Amino acid sequence: DAGVIQSPRHEVTEMGQEVTLRCKPISGHNSLFWYRQTMMRGLELLIYFNNNVPIDDSGMPEDRFSAKMPNASFSTLKIQPSEPRDSAVYFCASSPMGTGGINQPQHFGDGTRLSIL
Amino acid sequence: KQEVTQIPAALSVPEGENLVLNCSFTDSAIYNLQWFRQDPGKGLTSLLLIQSSQREQTSGRLNASLDKSSGRSTLYIAASQPGDSATYLCAVEGDSNYQLIWGAGTKLIIKP
Repeated sequence: DAGVIQSPRHEVTEMGQEVTLRCKPISGHNSLFWYRQTMMRGLELLIYFNNNVPIDDSGMPEDRFSAKMPNASFSTLKIQPSEPRDSAVYFCASSPMGTGGINQPQHFGDGTRLSIL
Repeated sequence: KQEVTQIPAALSVPEGENLVLNCSFTDSAIYNLQWFRQDPGKGLTSLLLIQSSQREQTSGRLNASLDKSSGRSTLYIAASQPGDSATYLCAVEGDSNYQLIWGAGTKLIIKP
């Protein structure tokens, strides 16, 4: 079975450019998570979708960040304009659990390593 | 506010040894505790999930225990192998039913 697929794997761009990260969750999973991982702050949850609806975006750092999930098989995380402090590894994860559902582990993609120069 | 701590931050042991990784949390009101493994340049892989009503879970050479009253979990790895080298993270799921609170991880190196 295909796991969570993220693209691109690596992105290097200059400050001020728009960056779009993409995620395809595991088929049948109705929960999707975007995380950011840095050495200083560890793993941070940015946004959580359930059945394509954003449930919790309290972790989104500021208005420069936005995320969409137009259908059950695709999500994007966009940064516009990008800044050097956005450099991190961004992970997408999916899970079959729903709100109030039973305990199920999250399945992670391999991440996008983002470098903003 | 829930806090998750993993000690030590790094551990190096010879191949073949049995070892224990530790995870502690401050709020015992959890739905589950999860152990993940992260290899360099890769995402996280779920190893074991212990529901709040359970005391332990086993998968192959891995055994995870949970003591909610003391706010502790351990991950026991038997007969360690070089392929076990990775960073191991624990995370607890609280009353939000989706929000995981993460430890900083223990970087494990198994020396051949």
